[in-house]
Amino acid sequence: SQKIEQNSEALNIQEGKTATLTCNYTNYSPAYLQWYRQDPGRGPVFLLLIRENEKEKRKERLKVTFDTTFKQSLFHITASQPADSATYLCHMTGNQFYFGTGTSLTVIP
Amino acid sequence: NAGVTQTPKFRILKIGQSMTLQCTQDMNHNYMYWYRQDPGMGLKLIYYSVGAGITDKGEVPNGYNVSRSTTEDFPLRLELAAPSQTSVYFCASWDRGRTSYTGELFFGEGSRLTVL
Repeated sequence: SQKIEQNSEALNIQEGKTATLTCNYTNYSPAYLQWYRQDPGRGPVFLLLIRENEKEKRKERLKVTFDTTFKQSLFHITASQPADSATYLCHMTGNQFYFGTGTSLTVIP
Repeated sequence: NAGVTQTPKFRILKIGQSMTLQCTQDMNHNYMYWYRQDPGMGLKLIYYSVGAGITDKGEVPNGYNVSRSTTEDFPLRLELAAPSQTSVYFCASWDRGRTSYTGELFFGEGSRLTVL
């Protein structure tokens, strides 16, 4: 069956460093991969989309890569800030829709 | 422009009771979805709809029913509530018709349901 896995542990990093979150998938070939941010008690908010034929996508301090050979997406936040602390979810779209379990990121001042 | 609106925000049900979670979007999106999110788990798709009058099952449809009589509304019905349905429910919508497709799902703020 299809499976999506994100960093299982919470990720703590120092302010100013680059946070890297991982999303791995198996038994699936998504056409699109999206990353969302979710704050406690709120609905997820869309951040970035990357298509299967794209290697990298950037938006301000965010960068997403998509490696269909290794079935992995990496999500980077450069120059991280305490306000970036949240849970980040990857989402895959093909003929079905799947969310990862999320990675909780804490940026320490 | 309110986006996706869910009601109620919180609800406590007794085992065996029924209720409907309401979801309305004012963006004229054709696709709508219901997800549930359990602690430490990702979002699981319950049901989705690609337009008025069309619904389909997602990953975890058992114990739920939906209808889509209008573009705006996509209510989720829980029949005979069970403790396993204690969760946070999110409604989302998507406009697949735009040529500049971004894949952006718009989510409501969630409905927290507890079944005792």
